[in-house]
Amino acid sequence: QVQLQESGPGLVKPSQTLSLTCTVSGGSISGGDYYWSWIRQPPGKGLEWIGHIYYSGSTYYNPSLESRVAISIDTSKNQFSLKLSSVTAADTAVYYCARSPRKRSGYSYASELDYWGQGTLVTVSS
Amino acid sequence: DIVMTQTPLSSPVTLGQPASISCRSSQSLVHSDGSTYLSWLQQRPGQPPRLLIYKISNRFSGVPDRFSGNGAGTDFTLKISRVEAEDVGVYYCMQATQLPHTFGQGTKLEIK
Repeated sequence: QVQLQESGPGLVKPSQTLSLTCTVSGGSISGGDYYWSWIRQPPGKGLEWIGHIYYSGSTYYNPSLESRVAISIDTSKNQFSLKLSSVTAADTAVYYCARSPRKRSGYSYASELDYWGQGTLVTVSS
Repeated sequence: DIVMTQTPLSSPVTLGQPASISCRSSQSLVHSDGSTYLSWLQQRPGQPPRLLIYKISNRFSGVPDRFSGNGAGTDFTLKISRVEAEDVGVYYCMQATQLPHTFGQGTKLEIK
């Protein structure tokens, strides 16, 4: 069974860049059957979808964060990563990585989020 | 963006009794491929979200059959036939029909 695990610093200073990595085990990230997503959840609040990446490197970002987000993939390490720049206290959240099965109907797109990592809390504070 | 609205936001339920959560989308979730990418997730306290239901009514692997989903177009419902103690948590609907994918606000299920 596939497993996802987030890793990265738990504390980031305001105006700096948040960097997280998701390591996938139990399946290949380069198989082409899935999209790989990042989602976040501020303490005590709901879920926000940040964006996703396909093994080819194709990405889509939530327009609300697009100017500050970059998602990349390293198929040799079976990992994908998130960078969020110019962070503020509003970016304090638990960050999750997750997997979406790929669908095709003339073009390729993602569907539901079927497997999630445990999440990692990132606090933005000086 | 498609706005997902859940009701109620809080649902106190007696053990063994049914529970129902509604989710309404601001526009139709029918994809051009004919499928409707509406899913339900459960988040137990201190845990990551877990997929329960996908494409309106399909139970994910390992999900008990007391969970069911139905609906069409813009209106969807998650039902728990008999609530158990382990069902306590927050339930989210999510649409993956249109980018960006969006979630409902969450419904907190608690035991009376």
